[in-house]
Amino acid sequence: SAVISQKPSRDICQRGTSLTIQCQVDSQVTMMFWYRQQPGQSLTLIATANQGSEATYESGFVIDKFPISRPNLTFSTLTVSNMSPEDSSIYLCSVFIQGLREKLFFGSGTQLSVL
Amino acid sequence: RKEVEQDPGPFNVPEGATVAFNCTYSNSASQSFFWYRQDCRKEPKLLMSVYSSGNEDGRFTAQLNRASQYISLLIRDSKLSDSATYLCAGDTGRRALTFGSGTRLQVQP
Repeated sequence: SAVISQKPSRDICQRGTSLTIQCQVDSQVTMMFWYRQQPGQSLTLIATANQGSEATYESGFVIDKFPISRPNLTFSTLTVSNMSPEDSSIYLCSVFIQGLREKLFFGSGTQLSVL
Repeated sequence: RKEVEQDPGPFNVPEGATVAFNCTYSNSASQSFFWYRQDCRKEPKLLMSVYSSGNEDGRFTAQLNRASQYISLLIRDSKLSDSATYLCAGDTGRRALTFGSGTRLQVQP
């Protein structure tokens, strides 16, 4: 597995502001993803963070709202821009570990509340 | 139709009971499936992978039925500590996973 550190663990933000979430992995990983989990819902994939190039966004998510950086194979950030209460959610980074049995692991998540 | 569907529950079972969850998927191209466990306000944690041949880990058994496009999780001798939400997931072909909405299990003393 991998140790995935995500911060902040939680934040309360005002409408219209932006928050950047950081994800640090203790080993180099090729595939890194950002998910969102809204209250009482399952996980929804926001985007794939690509090292050295623009992220690949899923339907319904756009770069202007959720800019992502991936400067190297161990680090990524997700920014939630111009926040509204609808953005209140848990945001999770995840990494794909290749091996005999390929698996997806998650960071501890960032619980975001927008007032 | 959602790609991965689960009965949200809750499943309320007494300690020691056997409980089974099913999960159906619509993408017949999905190759890999997993069960995750998520405790309240925590991140999902991988419970087990699901193989066509079946996969057993202690009290937990996972099965994949490709013909009917469903996966299952069986928990034997339920413990209080098994209370959690169980998420099934299938691959998207891009190493990311698509998750079901989760099945909540409450084991009661």
